[in-house]
Amino acid sequence: DAKTTQPPSMDCAEGRAANLPCNHSTISGNEYVYWYRQIHSQGPQYIIHGLKNNETNEMASLIITEDRKSSTLILPHATLRDTAVYYCIVRVAINYGQNFVFGPGTRLSVLP
Amino acid sequence: DTAVSQTPKYLVTQMGNDKSIKCEQNLGHDTMYWYKQDSKKFLKIMFSYNNKELIINETVPNRFSPKSPDKAHLNLHINSLELGDSAVYFCASSRTTTQETQYFGPGTRLLVL
Repeated sequence: DAKTTQPPSMDCAEGRAANLPCNHSTISGNEYVYWYRQIHSQGPQYIIHGLKNNETNEMASLIITEDRKSSTLILPHATLRDTAVYYCIVRVAINYGQNFVFGPGTRLSVLP
Repeated sequence: DTAVSQTPKYLVTQMGNDKSIKCEQNLGHDTMYWYKQDSKKFLKIMFSYNNKELIINETVPNRFSPKSPDKAHLNLHINSLELGDSAVYFCASSRTTTQETQYFGPGTRLLVL
């Protein structure tokens, strides 16, 4: 079962920042928060991940609260091509390995 | 060059048939995965292999048999296909098993009639 909670859908105007929230209140101290997205009919695409500190790369910024119980993915200038389902994932240990458990994600629609 | 590739992209077959899906990664990763995405769009892990050895099998029917001839390949063979096997199957790879980014293939769309 997913250890994260996300809103099912969000809209964002093209050119504006898209802020996608995620709750992960049961996160353990050594678990990273990952963000992936899935554009229609494609495989999931890695966006960013972090442990404690805020992170930024060419795609997005990740803001993690001090208590690590929630985070926000920020797409600074959303474009129509950013329309996708965004998954917030906390890795879980299964047997002798660790794997991603994908929840339903947030369907982001970027509107012209 | 595609990092993680899958063949075929589409697969339409009759119930009861046996079929295989192939996956190859050219990233030099040690770990490969198979995921199933059903009609409700939930992505679920099926198998995980590390250096050709199975490390995770998530309650998948034994009609599904992954095979890893080398660490760059993880093929999925499905026996006696059922209607409920219709889904999109994604292969992925990561450098190791722990806290590593996974890279996904484009998916194989399987339709069982």
